[in-house]
Amino acid sequence: ETGVTQTPRHLVMGMTNKKSLKCEQHLGHNAMYWYKQSAKKPLELMFVYSLEERVENNSVPSRFSPECPNSSHLFLHLHTLQPEDSALYLCASSRLGTRDDYGYTFGSGTRLTVV
Amino acid sequence: AQKITQTQPGMFVQEKEAVTLDCTYDTSDQSYGLFWYKQPSSGEMIFLIYQGSYDEQNATEGRYSLNFQKARKSANLVISASQLGDSAMYFCAMRENQRAAGNKLTFGGGTRVLVKP
Repeated sequence: ETGVTQTPRHLVMGMTNKKSLKCEQHLGHNAMYWYKQSAKKPLELMFVYSLEERVENNSVPSRFSPECPNSSHLFLHLHTLQPEDSALYLCASSRLGTRDDYGYTFGSGTRLTVV
Repeated sequence: AQKITQTQPGMFVQEKEAVTLDCTYDTSDQSYGLFWYKQPSSGEMIFLIYQGSYDEQNATEGRYSLNFQKARKSANLVISASQLGDSAMYFCAMRENQRAAGNKLTFGGGTRVLVKP
């Protein structure tokens, strides 16, 4: 149990489907992140939420829609995806602002396959 | 230009031996943090060790130590007494401007380590 829980662990969806990825943390962290990890590519930061406000959106296509209803939950809504969107999607959380912040706590990821 | 560079895509290490994973970084910030994460085949990213840019001593956590050379902008990870369970991908990451909103991390491309019995 990592402290950050992602569901589902695996997801196969068609290009016309709509699905959502869920991330939950109860570590008292106040920032949450979505990363995309494709084969043979560095991790790509997709979205950053700081104190429940989206502070970064790294040119992610609109078919990915994040939602952060509170500091413990983060969603990634998916619709009309493409096969190249198949990847491991990692959620992370962290505390903000101090040098004693020991980086992120990651979830186990959702392995997404778009068919 | 890449901010975090890991030049070793993969390496083998004999069980019980030490291994050094290279990481160089590029930043103009004076205040930043450097991290190493381990990713086994299960996919989860596991935090290993942290080094702050103002820390004068190299960080150590059990069998992990970070060889921090600030002038060279390098932050190599040393794993001592390798174990079979150390086989995984290892990522170096940097957080710039630590007091900015979001505290985002930038990751290197990773190094795959395979420990041989």
